[in-house]
Amino acid sequence: DAKTTQPPSMDCAEGRAANLPCNHSTISGNEYVYWYRQIHSQGPQYIIHGLKNNETNEMASLIITEDRKSSTLILPHATLRDTAVYYCIVGLGQNFVFGPGTRLSVLP
Amino acid sequence: NAGVTQTPKFQVLKTGQSMTLQCAQDMNHNSMYWYRQDPGMGLRLIYYSASEGTTDKGEVPNGYNVSRLNKREFSLRLESAAPSQTSVYFCASSEVYGGEYFSTDTQYFGPGTRLTVL
Repeated sequence: DAKTTQPPSMDCAEGRAANLPCNHSTISGNEYVYWYRQIHSQGPQYIIHGLKNNETNEMASLIITEDRKSSTLILPHATLRDTAVYYCIVGLGQNFVFGPGTRLSVLP
Repeated sequence: NAGVTQTPKFQVLKTGQSMTLQCAQDMNHNSMYWYRQDPGMGLRLIYYSASEGTTDKGEVPNGYNVSRLNKREFSLRLESAAPSQTSVYFCASSEVYGGEYFSTDTQYFGPGTRLTVL
């Protein structure tokens, strides 16, 4: 599975959009991009995934660049409850590699 | 619909003791996984089971054994616990969709078991 690079931490003001970047320059043509988050020490929670088209669901939007070498997770209106570690994972499944992720702090 | 459940929530063991961590899912998923998470780190895959009756090693399998008891249940056993196995253990399940080339795998996680080995 391809490796990903994420900033270790980010801050975002409550009510504003949080944009979390991820680099995955070695992604293969059939690998999906997945985003999970982990709030405090709970089990990771699935957010969204995509192949090459932009995706949106009730939680977030995923923007994947045309060359698929990077992506951005967008939380449109961040709340204090969105404070968590966000993991960007690229792979075929069955053997995900969770890196250290980005610690997002939503500030009041 | 409980999703993925794990027992126990907390456990303290002495070095050399054995124990089994239990995991069950009610989503009728074929695939199940065991991960460990050390403080400040991401998750690392210990073992996974792509379907009932099959198991495969992940990144850090040494010191562990697994059993896929049926489609719902996947247990993780520590035969002789060591302090290096102090960690939080997460179980997950998923349904893999797609074919040989394109496939998606959305994993759903349990609440975790916090294990301390003294």
